Amino acid sequence: GQNIDQPTEMTATEGAIVQINCTYQTSGFNGLFWYQQHAGEAPTFLSYNVLDGLEEKGRFSSFLSRSKGYSYLLLKELQMKDSASYLCAVIMIKAAGNKLTFGGGTRVLVKP
Amino acid sequence: DADVTQTPRNRITKTGKRIMLECSQTKGHDRMYWYRQDPGLGLRLIYYSFDVKDINKGEISDGYSVSRQAQAKFSLSLESAIPNQTALYFCATSDLSGGRHNEQFFGPGTRLTVL
Repeated sequence: GQNIDQPTEMTATEGAIVQINCTYQTSGFNGLFWYQQHAGEAPTFLSYNVLDGLEEKGRFSSFLSRSKGYSYLLLKELQMKDSASYLCAVIMIKAAGNKLTFGGGTRVLVKP
Repeated sequence: DADVTQTPRNRITKTGKRIMLECSQTKGHDRMYWYRQDPGLGLRLIYYSFDVKDINKGEISDGYSVSRQAQAKFSLSLESAIPNQTALYFCATSDLSGGRHNEQFFGPGTRLTVL
């Protein structure tokens, strides 16, 4: 089976950095996604990691360690518009095809 | 125009009523999914379909059914709605399996309230 854990909520100040951790346990790992979701809206793609290491894209970076079952999403130079939920999702290999399994999401509140 | 659309966007209904949520996509993807989202529980998979002739149960399929009418259309039905099915429902699509292709593209969501 699989289990994906991430903190429920985090608060940070505008201009600061926040790191959202995600740990997972799964048989047959095949990649990890981070999505951003503003309240009441659809999730939108942020990053994808399949190999160990850091993927950087502007103010957002995502890190993966497959041996530790661990990923983090780093948000730098926080802006008010970054207030949203951030969803960690793991691709689990199954014979019938790969599916995404989502964590519960981390709600990030950015304060002035 | 949006690539993945859902109708209706909002629906209030009563216990015992039959409800159908519809999803259409213009992305040309073979794979389609239905999720529900409840506060603090993330997205949970209800049903998924890898092509027109393929339907699979997700982790919470009880009380739901689906129909894949065409490559572009995937409908979710609640045969007899109950209050604990009140949630935000998302449809999603993805391309062929493998790596970044597993990225799912989401519709805008349907907010369903069962009284």
